[in-house]
Amino acid sequence: AQKITQTQPGMFVQEKEAVTLDCTYDTSDPSYGLFWYKQPSSGEMIFLIYQGSYDQQNATEGRYSLNFQKARKSANLVISASQLGDSAMYFCAMREGPGNYGQNFVFGPGTRLSVLP
Amino acid sequence: DAGITQSPRHKVTETGTPVTLRCHQTENHRYMYWYRQDPGHGLRLIHYSYGVKDTDKGEVSDGYSVSRSKTEDFLLTLESATSSQTSVYFCAISESVQGEETQYFGPGTRLLVL
Repeated sequence: AQKITQTQPGMFVQEKEAVTLDCTYDTSDPSYGLFWYKQPSSGEMIFLIYQGSYDQQNATEGRYSLNFQKARKSANLVISASQLGDSAMYFCAMREGPGNYGQNFVFGPGTRLSVLP
Repeated sequence: DAGITQSPRHKVTETGTPVTLRCHQTENHRYMYWYRQDPGHGLRLIHYSYGVKDTDKGEVSDGYSVSRSKTEDFLLTLESATSSQTSVYFCAISESVQGEETQYFGPGTRLLVL
């Protein structure tokens, strides 16, 4: 079974508009972390935002926010005021385990975002 | 970028030859990881390390071994390379500061096994 599901292979958004990239996860571990990464066409992996399973508030980082709905096991990334430079592949990932020794990371297949001028 | 370098950045090798990829970090991070990235699969964890000489297997560890004799270096070895191991390999570190976790990646190594 897929542990991380990203149902949108590709997305388009108009410049300056907001966009939501979907991510659902599956784990029975009570302690986990959720991450989003950006991979531009140049190939590097860029960390964007993190949400811990015990965090009460949604994480925010500049124009990025993570819409964390624990009961639904979803961790959608919201990008506000899209810019042309946001065009990239976006990956959702989960770290299972308490973080001290168990460090199993699982990535989703990614969503390709294209920002239109 | 957390001071992560990978070497070599590109490599072409032949089936059956041994290959070692090196990941080097300069900031004394405890956790280090090796991933491979293939089209349609995102990134998949090969092995990770939680300290010197402490390593564990990830999702796709078959055909790979790792070693970490120093904090700063994490080596990935393909004992006998196969064409299915053609991929882009990423090294990463993770850190946790006051409960906030981050994971930073190296620039990647493109490996082609002929």
